[in-house]
Amino acid sequence: EAQVTQNPRYLITVTGKKLTVTCSQNMNHEYMSWYRQDPGLGLRQIYYSMNVEVTDKGDVPEGYKVSRKEKRNFPLILESPSPNQTSLYFCASSFPQGRAFFGQGTRLTVV
Amino acid sequence: GENVEQHPSTLSVQEGDSAVIKCTYSDSASNYFPWYKQELGKRPQLIIDIRSNVGEKKDQRIAVTLNKTAKHFSLHITETQPEDSAVYFCAATQMDSSYKLIFGSGTRLLVRP
Repeated sequence: EAQVTQNPRYLITVTGKKLTVTCSQNMNHEYMSWYRQDPGLGLRQIYYSMNVEVTDKGDVPEGYKVSRKEKRNFPLILESPSPNQTSLYFCASSFPQGRAFFGQGTRLTVV
Repeated sequence: GENVEQHPSTLSVQEGDSAVIKCTYSDSASNYFPWYKQELGKRPQLIIDIRSNVGEKKDQRIAVTLNKTAKHFSLHITETQPEDSAVYFCAATQMDSSYKLIFGSGTRLLVRP
């Protein structure tokens, strides 16, 4: 089954404790991206990757890192989480200019 | 870069009525316009998309129209049902080297039984 898998689904952490949210896709998509979703602000892109070892900032990259060492994986790293990073996060993948498939979402709370 | 505006932000209709959601975009070179539906607590899922070489596309009760001259596109849902209640997002491709999708701010549709 074609899918994008994110883990974990829910995460509560403390300020400053490094965390990683994993994302994996099995559709051989070149393009992967991370979004955060906050009430009233829609989906805002954090980082994207056009292929292995090619990543770039989206609209709200501050406080986040990503890596793309393999085509199928695109982890999101928060080196020192802060409460303003409490949000719902989605990973997505697609072929360039194609249909985007979203992961199940990760609800992150930073206290 | 591309900017996408979506209206209305909320829409309430009676079951069986039609619903229309409109989006405008700024980059005349954009050529791909998807619509996503997000149910409460779920991920966004594609419901229909259109490319710039087509003016209209239908899939059962859902249709999308595109006016390239005016740079706007609309989602039409006919014979609405309670299960159509969700948040709907439009998007447009930013036509630079990133080809990233720029999303509208979303429309919360409520279908009253």
